[in-house]
Amino acid sequence: QVRLQESGPGLMKPSETLSLTCTVSGASISSYYWSWFRQPPGKGLEWIGYVHYSGSTNYNPSLNSRVTISIDMSKSQFSLKLSSVTAADTAVYYCGRRRDFFDYWGQGNLVTVSS
Amino acid sequence: EIVLTQSPGTLSLSPGEGATLSCRASQSVSSSLLAWYQQKSGQAPRLLIYGASSRAAGIPDRFSGSGSGTDFTLTISRLEPEDFAVYYCQQYGSSPRTFGGGTKVEIK
Repeated sequence: QVRLQESGPGLMKPSETLSLTCTVSGASISSYYWSWFRQPPGKGLEWIGYVHYSGSTNYNPSLNSRVTISIDMSKSQFSLKLSSVTAADTAVYYCGRRRDFFDYWGQGNLVTVSS
Repeated sequence: EIVLTQSPGTLSLSPGEGATLSCRASQSVSSSLLAWYQQKSGQAPRLLIYGASSRAAGIPDRFSGSGSGTDFTLTISRLEPEDFAVYYCQQYGSSPRTFGGGTKVEIK
């Protein structure tokens, strides 16, 4: 059974760097691409980017300059870093499997940016 | 970037009725690389359809997808109580991956 679990802070201050980790179980992290998404409260979904075990990445141009996604095969984890956050980055952040359509999702991690 | 526009914004229906949800793309989605998701309040999205018309594992056959080019449809043949939710389309024919704004199917 494939499971993804996000972990990270729930509250941040403006200008800080958001760091989230997704732990994968039930699937080999080297066999797929892995993605991050976000959903502001009451709004729609936004794809942030994906990573492959080879290290290749692809990011949404709307966030490209602030985003880094990395992978740690030894821990079966992949991570998201988003720099210089503002209130507009307040959202539920999800991790997911694949880079085309997304067949497994984590339960989500609400991140609130507030001074 | 491909913009996906979903309509209607809200669909008010009764259990047992059929539902037709539309997703229109700002440019052609190559090879019908379009997916549909269901999201219930407080939960992660759930993949329903990929490749415009292929049901994901475990999805009941009352859900079906169709379309090509710029116009796609998700049909729910007979609404069950658990089908009332928000539905999103998503294209993966080009980068960045983009989602539609969603259609809420609510109980009338």
